[in-house]
Amino acid sequence: GAGVSQSPRYKVAKRGQDVALRCDPISGHVSLFWYQQALGQGPEFLTYFQNEAQLDKSGLPSDRFFAERPEGSVSTLKIQRTQQEDSAVYLCASSPRASGNTIYFGEGSWLTVV
Amino acid sequence: GIQVEQSPPDLILQEGANSTLRCNFSDSVNNLQWFHQNPWGQLINLFYIPSGTKQNGRLSATTVATERYSLLYISSSQTTDSGVYFCAVEDRGSTLGRLYFGRGTQLTVWP
Repeated sequence: GAGVSQSPRYKVAKRGQDVALRCDPISGHVSLFWYQQALGQGPEFLTYFQNEAQLDKSGLPSDRFFAERPEGSVSTLKIQRTQQEDSAVYLCASSPRASGNTIYFGEGSWLTVV
Repeated sequence: GIQVEQSPPDLILQEGANSTLRCNFSDSVNNLQWFHQNPWGQLINLFYIPSGTKQNGRLSATTVATERYSLLYISSSQTTDSGVYFCAVEDRGSTLGRLYFGRGTQLTVWP
């Protein structure tokens, strides 16, 4: 597609439920990022893929968070045993290559844990 | 990581007014981008500007990399300019493209 596409756009999960958020980056983009944005804050880095390789996962807040990009295109962010503090917007972004490039964001997946 | 500070945190304008938003950062950068976050949450690219000056319609931006700041100018503001403006930078030492964001400037333009 023309832009970064994310689904679902909105997700309400009960505490303890597992969720999976999907990102379809711009075709041909090597780099893919996940960010988390809490209400009233700027986005914060979670993890980075270069093709299928996860090169940086230092921003993942706990081992309940897991991301994959098995074929170097679509990526999934999975959150296990969701907790209330996981409520946030999860933003996916892609870029043609690694450093020093314009980065394009999707519309985000709004997660509310109740 | 690199620190990014944006000012002012909030800005209220009447339609037609001009404004300047500022972004200070704590270290040398590979990349600096300005974004507008629309009411639906999407971050819209405004400028990729690690240095120099760029203009796009009523918007322009200047980054003075040696002094570690960037300015976003909005002229003749319109109600559709309302939203949150973010500055984001990539540490010069990075090879991976990770962006560090400021907390944003919330702009409200009244008719």
